[in-house]
Amino acid sequence: DAGVIQSPRHEVTEMGQEVTLRCKPISGHNSLFWYRQTMMRGLELLIYFNNNVPIDDSGMPEDRFSAKMPNASFSTLKIQPSEPRDSAVYFCASSYERGGLPSTDTQYFGPGTRLTVL
Amino acid sequence: GDSVTQMEGPVTLSEEAFLTINCTYTATGYPSLFWYVQYPGEGLQLLLKATKADDKGSNKGFEATYRKETTSFHLEKGSVQVSDSAVYFCALRIIQGAQKLVFGQGTRLTINP
Repeated sequence: DAGVIQSPRHEVTEMGQEVTLRCKPISGHNSLFWYRQTMMRGLELLIYFNNNVPIDDSGMPEDRFSAKMPNASFSTLKIQPSEPRDSAVYFCASSYERGGLPSTDTQYFGPGTRLTVL
Repeated sequence: GDSVTQMEGPVTLSEEAFLTINCTYTATGYPSLFWYVQYPGEGLQLLLKATKADDKGSNKGFEATYRKETTSFHLEKGSVQVSDSAVYFCALRIIQGAQKLVFGQGTRLTINP
C-alpha cells in the first residue's frame, strides 16, 4: 500500500497567490482529514470528510480556505489569497470509519506539505 | 471542551534511560486514547491506543495505561534508544459524535548516545 499521498511536498509562494494542496487517501478508506501544524498552535484539525461529504469544517480559519473531495480518491485544500501567516505544514490523513463503538479507527497520515508564503 | 495536556518538552535523555511522558485529558464523554509519534520530516504514525479504563496499549517497547480515575494516559518505555528521538503526541477521540482526534501539543524527545 502506498499510504496517503500528498503533493506538493514543498510549496513556496508569494502573498496573494492561490495555493492548492492535494491528497490521495489510502484506497478503501472512507474518511479524510486535513490538519495544519505550526510551532505556535501545534496540530489543528481544519476539516474532515466522511464518504466525500464535509462533516466538520469548524477548524477552517476563514473564507480564504476551502476544501473539496470530488471523489473517494482525491481531495484538495485551497488557500486564496494566501498570507504569510498561512505558512505551516499541512497534513492529510485518512481512515476507514466503521461507525461502531468504541471507535479506535486508526488515522494514517501523509508526509505533509510544507507551505511557505513570502 | 475536550482537551489533552502533555508534559512540556523538550525532553533529553541518555540511551537506555527510562522514559515517561505525561498526558492528561479532559473529556465530556468516554474517549479512546492514542499516542502518535512523528519522526523528523514525516507525518504522524500511530504508536499505541486504548479504548477503555485499565486497558494497556503497547508497541515497540512503549506502554500506556488508560487511567480513568486520574484521566491520564502516560507513555512509558523502560530503555530508550537513539532511534526513539521524535515528537510524541497524545490524543483522544470521543466515541459518540465526531470522528476527529484532539491532539496535545506534542513533546519533543531527544535521546543521546
